[in-house]
Amino acid sequence: GDSVTQMEGPVTLSEEAFLTINCTYTATGYPSLFWYVQYPGEGLQLLLKATKADDKGSNKGFEATYRKETTSFHLEKGSVQVSDSAVYFCALRGSNYQLIWGAGTKLIIKP
Amino acid sequence: KAGVTQTPRYLIKTRGQQVTLSCSPISGHRSVSWYQQTPGQGLQFLFEYFSETQRNKGNFPGRFSGRQFSNSRSEMNVSTLELGDSALYLCASSSLGGAVTDTQYFGPGTRLTVL
Repeated sequence: GDSVTQMEGPVTLSEEAFLTINCTYTATGYPSLFWYVQYPGEGLQLLLKATKADDKGSNKGFEATYRKETTSFHLEKGSVQVSDSAVYFCALRGSNYQLIWGAGTKLIIKP
Repeated sequence: KAGVTQTPRYLIKTRGQQVTLSCSPISGHRSVSWYQQTPGQGLQFLFEYFSETQRNKGNFPGRFSGRQFSNSRSEMNVSTLELGDSALYLCASSSLGGAVTDTQYFGPGTRLTVL
């Protein structure tokens, strides 16, 4: 079945560092891919999405490109801030319309 | 537009009791999905409702049930609560639900603690 694999956390970076959180997937057909973010004590917020190969989703300085050839959707940001500290989830929505989730990656940004 | 709202935000129950959680989707959204989030199992899909019909179901026991009303509001019910049901229950709405490209928008969740 469909699955999503994310890099394990926590990921600890200094402010203004470059961020990459790896996400790879297994799916039949042409899934849509999503990154959600969860701040402490809150629900999930959509960060960005991509619905077809080579699409780039972007929001708040975060970017991810849908790479069908490597089945990846890595999240990147050029300069992280303390306020980016949160848990990041990669997810796919495939032919059965369910959202399939990665395990989440906790990001800690130190000033 | 108002976002997805969930009530109550926090709930404490004892084993064996039952509980009902409520979710109001974004205005105009017809699909509502429910998820359970725990530290051990992560995010797990419970079920999805569209136009008052359950369209999709995850791998949970029959103690977990739900329904959707004609105004798209949804409730989920857990009967005979177990300690392992302690979790954050998240509701998400989307406009159609039946498209791969459809985006789900989440509420803040209901934190259920079973003692």
